Amino acid sequence: AQSVTQLGSHVSVSEGALVLLRCNYSSSVPPYLFWYVQYPNQGLQLLLKYTSAATLVKGINGFEAEFKKSETSFHLTKPSAHMSDAAEYFCAVRSASGGGADGLTFGKGTHLIIQP
Amino acid sequence: KAGVTQTPRYLIKTRGQQVTLSCSPISGHRSVSWYQQTPGQGLQFLFEYFSETQRNKGNFPGRFSGRQFSNSRSEMNVSTLELGDSALYLCASSLSPGVVQETQYFGPGTRLLVL
Repeated sequence: AQSVTQLGSHVSVSEGALVLLRCNYSSSVPPYLFWYVQYPNQGLQLLLKYTSAATLVKGINGFEAEFKKSETSFHLTKPSAHMSDAAEYFCAVRSASGGGADGLTFGKGTHLIIQP
Repeated sequence: KAGVTQTPRYLIKTRGQQVTLSCSPISGHRSVSWYQQTPGQGLQFLFEYFSETQRNKGNFPGRFSGRQFSNSRSEMNVSTLELGDSALYLCASSLSPGVVQETQYFGPGTRLLVL
């Protein structure tokens, strides 16, 4: 079984400040991890994904995440927040079963608020 | 290339009715997955279709079903609607189902309200 825990349902940062969104996973097999963003009334857009090639993953819009196996974490960061980053962020895990890849298992999401 | 499209975008139904939602994947993508998003339960995997066959299923009752056509378009059906079925239903497409690290591309969703 696999699961994802996102600490903090709401995170508020000032424009220009560091963004840190936390994600911890549980998986009995090597995980593949994803971060998605959802803007109001829209679907999900992939920010970045970890596929075991490198522990530090760079994504779109200046976001990056670091896979830490010892801490079972995959936290999302951005050095300087922009007003346009305000959205809901989801961490997800996926693993392979006997028949191939399972569906994505999502965390509950973190609503990022940017203060002017 | 056009993205994933879902129709209709909004739907209102009453308890006991049934509903059919449609999803057209990105051109060339053959795998379609469906997810339910609610404030209480979050995002949950419903099922995945590939080559007109359901190859994976989440933990949902049999009232939830789907199918895929030869052109990879997919529909999902919910019968005997309950109030708790009110949700945003998201469709995602990918090239093939067996690659774990493959990106799933999501559509804008269909928002279903059950009264």
